[in-house]
Amino acid sequence: DVKVTQSSRYLVKRTGEKVFLECVQDMDHENMFWYRQDPGLGLRLIYFSYDVKMKEKGDIPEGYSVSREKKERFSLILESASTNQTSMYLCASSYAQGAQGLFGPGTRLTVT
Amino acid sequence: KQEVTQIPAALSVPEGENLVLNCSFTDSAIYNLQWFRQDPGKGLTSLLLIQSSQREQTSGRLNASLDKSSGRSTLYIAASQPGDSATYLCAVGNDMRFGAGTRLTVKP
Repeated sequence: DVKVTQSSRYLVKRTGEKVFLECVQDMDHENMFWYRQDPGLGLRLIYFSYDVKMKEKGDIPEGYSVSREKKERFSLILESASTNQTSMYLCASSYAQGAQGLFGPGTRLTVT
Repeated sequence: KQEVTQIPAALSVPEGENLVLNCSFTDSAIYNLQWFRQDPGKGLTSLLLIQSSQREQTSGRLNASLDKSSGRSTLYIAASQPGDSATYLCAVGNDMRFGAGTRLTVKP
């Protein structure tokens, strides 16, 4: 059963901490995406990657960075967590550009 | 920048009704459009993918259409059921830009 997995379902961090959110897919997908989802705002694209070591900024990259050293893994990094980064974070992947997207279950991050 | 809008934001219908959800986008130079479903507290499930060369896709009681020239897509749900209650989201383009979604409630 193909899937996208995220390292944690729930995470609580303190302001100023460096936070790593991990996403792994086992489908040899080329493309991977990170979103945050907030009530009333839908999903907002943070970063995406079309290949290993490649990254593209989405609509809200400020305060975030990403790493894709291996094809199957796409990491989202909060360099210095702030309370306004409290959100649900969703990872997705797709086989190629224009292909169907598959989502992970999400990580609910709380920054206190 | 691609802007995606979904109307209405919320919709409540009695069981058995046919309904239409709308998605509009500003940049018509897209390769595809997808419709997803999200149940409360869950991740997203892909429902339908329409390539830019296609006009519509069907899956069971769901039919999605795409009109690139007008920047619009619709998701038609036939004979709605309480189990259809969820938030429906459209995602536009290779980089999957999302609208805010339509929260659908189907009352028994």
